[in-house]
Amino acid sequence: EDQVTQSPEALRLQEGESSSLNCSYTVSGLRGLFWYRQDPGKGPEFLFTLYSAGEEKEKERLKATLTKKESFLHITAPKPEDSATYLCAVQERPQGETSGSRLTFGEGTQLTVNP
Amino acid sequence: DTGVSQNPRHKITKRGQNVTFRCDPISEHNRLYWYRQTLGQGPEFLTYFQNEAQLEKSRLLSDRFSAERPKGSFSTLEIQRTEQGDSAMYLCASSLGQTGAWETQYFGPGTRLLVL
Repeated sequence: EDQVTQSPEALRLQEGESSSLNCSYTVSGLRGLFWYRQDPGKGPEFLFTLYSAGEEKEKERLKATLTKKESFLHITAPKPEDSATYLCAVQERPQGETSGSRLTFGEGTQLTVNP
Repeated sequence: DTGVSQNPRHKITKRGQNVTFRCDPISEHNRLYWYRQTLGQGPEFLTYFQNEAQLEKSRLLSDRFSAERPKGSFSTLEIQRTEQGDSAMYLCASSLGQTGAWETQYFGPGTRLLVL
């Protein structure tokens, strides 16, 4: 069974203080690893997909990296508007090439950036 | 470009009542997923459709839950005889699934259910 563990559960940063969030996973055949941002009372907002070890993607102050066992979301010089819960999810390779596949989520890291 | 929409956004009901939620996916998306999220947890998969066919259901989906996607467009999720443990945010996601192509699921705003 796929498993995703995120750490830390909560993280408080000062504005401009860079840090990283961790996502450890076990999956039998990774199709993709996804990062989402979720604001209170809203649905998850897609950030990145990573497909193979060594891959990196960047968007503004966020950079996601992937190894065979974990992914990191690096936040450089965060701003208060980056405060949110960041969710990591894995998607297993489906049995059929034309099939979809569920996402298995971690519990998220709640990030607070103080001004 | 409109995203995934869900209605209602909030629902309060009494234990034992039936409730139905609706999800309208992004227009050209052929896959539609339902997830449930409780406070402090990540979303958990419930079921998924490819066009009108329901292809997978989680063990979490008891026989009180039923989902449909009659014409391969919008979907409904019905919960019969609601219990307090059903209180959660119900999320819908859609994706464009193509052979050999990567798939990204885009989520709607969710329906928050409170069972009293």
